[in-house]
Amino acid sequence: DQQVKQNSPSLSVQEGRISILNCDYTNSMFDYFLWYKKYPAEGPTFLISISSIKDKNEDGRFTVFLNKSAKHLSLHIVPSQPGDSAVYFCAASVDNNDMRFGAGTRLTVKP
Amino acid sequence: DAGVIQSPRHEVTEMGQEVTLRCKPISGHNSLFWYRQTMMRGLELLIYFNNNVPIDDSGMPEDRFSAKMPNASFSTLKIQPSEPRDSAVYFCASSFGHNEQYFGPGTRLTVT
Repeated sequence: DQQVKQNSPSLSVQEGRISILNCDYTNSMFDYFLWYKKYPAEGPTFLISISSIKDKNEDGRFTVFLNKSAKHLSLHIVPSQPGDSAVYFCAASVDNNDMRFGAGTRLTVKP
Repeated sequence: DAGVIQSPRHEVTEMGQEVTLRCKPISGHNSLFWYRQTMMRGLELLIYFNNNVPIDDSGMPEDRFSAKMPNASFSTLKIQPSEPRDSAVYFCASSFGHNEQYFGPGTRLTVT
């Protein structure tokens, strides 16, 4: 049962433009959401998170938006850079335990 | 800190053999997680420990899989007997309390 879904396996964006990665979840008990970034041959690394009491969290070029009524969150990267090319995983948990991950979206930022 | 350490980085074995994957969490972290990554299902949580005690092993696919954490600095994930469908990248992650998890580099397992 995929409780966290990333329906776009890949995304290609031009350098300097905005990248928008989407994620949907089904479990209304989730109260903590995270985005991880993964380069080839490395483990995922934490990027940004948001608690369910917020609808937006910003960290430099990265902003995560949470729409609880739609059970949807998104990651915006602006401006996108070639070094952002990686696989991005959306994750959700209850109290940051038992984290569930999506299948990932491969972002390619073209120079 | 060296981060989460996993060994081996690559493992190739024949069907039916026993496979043991090892993990050393970040010192001071009290939660440890084992994940499996496949193309079809992405990252799946297999089991996690809190203070060396298994909390939730509902993600362990079959009885062929077992995990132990004998102390705060070491954990193993064992597959016996291994099957070709077990081929995947296995990640270990650790965290302190309810903070974000730090992942190891993973072990790529190939079962032929």
